Amino acid sequence: DAKTTQPNSMESNEEEPVHLPCNHSTISGTDYIHWYRQLPSQGPEYVIHGLTSNVNNRMASLAIAEDRKSSTLILHRATLRDAAVYYCILRDRNAGGTSYGKLTFGQGTILTVHP
Amino acid sequence: NAGVTQTPKFQVLKTGQSMTLQCAQDMNHNSMYWYRQDPGMGLRLIYYSASEGTTDKGEVPNGYNVSRLNKREFSLRLESAAPSQTSVYFCASSNLAGGPGNTGELFFGEGSRLTVL
Repeated sequence: DAKTTQPNSMESNEEEPVHLPCNHSTISGTDYIHWYRQLPSQGPEYVIHGLTSNVNNRMASLAIAEDRKSSTLILHRATLRDAAVYYCILRDRNAGGTSYGKLTFGQGTILTVHP
Repeated sequence: NAGVTQTPKFQVLKTGQSMTLQCAQDMNHNSMYWYRQDPGMGLRLIYYSASEGTTDKGEVPNGYNVSRLNKREFSLRLESAAPSQTSVYFCASSNLAGGPGNTGELFFGEGSRLTVL
């Protein structure tokens, strides 16, 4: 499985934007970039995913480099509830686009949000 | 809407004892997973079941067995618990089928905290 590299930790102030980077230099053409986050004492939850184009949803935005070797999760206005571990994961989708491969988590980035 | 339900939430075992962690999902998902998370670590995949009737090993399957009882339920069994299996266990489910708009996202349970003395 292709690997991702994330900073161990990042800090932000409340109501400021946060940019969480992820490097995935060995990404393959069928790998989707998925982000999950894990709030304290909870199971992970899905945040966003993308393939080539930038993506937006109600939780965050995902900016994907043109060569796809890196991506950035953007939280536009951090809140205290966004303090969590954020995981960047590559997930293979088969050539036919009919199914996803299993999800392999790395260490993630611990995001601390200061009031 | 219950989502993914795990039982028990907490369990203390002695070395050598056996136990089964139960997981059930009500979202009609075809795929189910068991992960473990050690303190300060990310999640590691133990076993997964891509569809009813199939199971496959993940990264750390040793010391565990699984059963996909039906589409809803996926259990994880420790036959002879060891202190190294002290961890938080998470069950998850997803719909792996492709198609427009399907993220294939995993839905996780709240976790089962297991301590082996």
